[in-house]
Amino acid sequence: QVQLVQSGAEVKKPGASVKVSCKTSGDTFTTNGISWVRQAPGQGLEWMGWISPYNGNTNYAQNLKGRVAMTTDTSTSTVYMEVRSLRSDDTAVYYCVRDFQGAFDIWGQGTMVTVSS
Amino acid sequence: QSVLTQPPSASGTPGQRVTISCSGSSSNIGSNTVNWYQQLPGTAPKLLIYSNNQRPSGVPDRFSGSKSGISASLAISGLQSEDEADYYCAAWHDSLNGWVFGGGTKLTVL
Repeated sequence: QVQLVQSGAEVKKPGASVKVSCKTSGDTFTTNGISWVRQAPGQGLEWMGWISPYNGNTNYAQNLKGRVAMTTDTSTSTVYMEVRSLRSDDTAVYYCVRDFQGAFDIWGQGTMVTVSS
Repeated sequence: QSVLTQPPSASGTPGQRVTISCSGSSSNIGSNTVNWYQQLPGTAPKLLIYSNNQRPSGVPDRFSGSKSGISASLAISGLQSEDEADYYCAAWHDSLNGWVFGGGTKLTVL
């Protein structure tokens, strides 16, 4: 069964960076893209970007370009998402999702990131 | 303000049929397929409908999707208490070169 397992909750100060990990199963890692979606408390879903673990190609949401970076570690089938220069409105649950044939069919359990001074 | 427009709330009684709308533009729904996600309280979203009207394995046929022009709809028939959740539509946006979501619809089963 394909699963996406994310790292634990983080608390960061404004201006800092956070890096969230998402460990995938082997098949998913090599054959499917991974997107990141976040959800601020009580709010809706926001797509952040996509990475191909196969070749490292990325596509970031326009409003996050320059502050977000997605990378992969092929040796551990893990995808990483880093947000820099954190602000209070980056407080959210961050999900990694398998992007399979144009739909997000498998979701990680979510990682709560809190930005607070 | 979300790119796709959904009503913030919907409701129905057990056994009823309810529909949730999702309105977009020629740059998203008008030129690409629509997916729907269900988010039960305190859990991660789950894929409910993909490619406008396809159900993943395990999703009951009480759930159906449709698309016409720049709008899409999710219909739930035989409403059950466990259907109480938030529902989100999503589509690829060509000029933004990314996915956009609706603001979500909170479904209450009365």
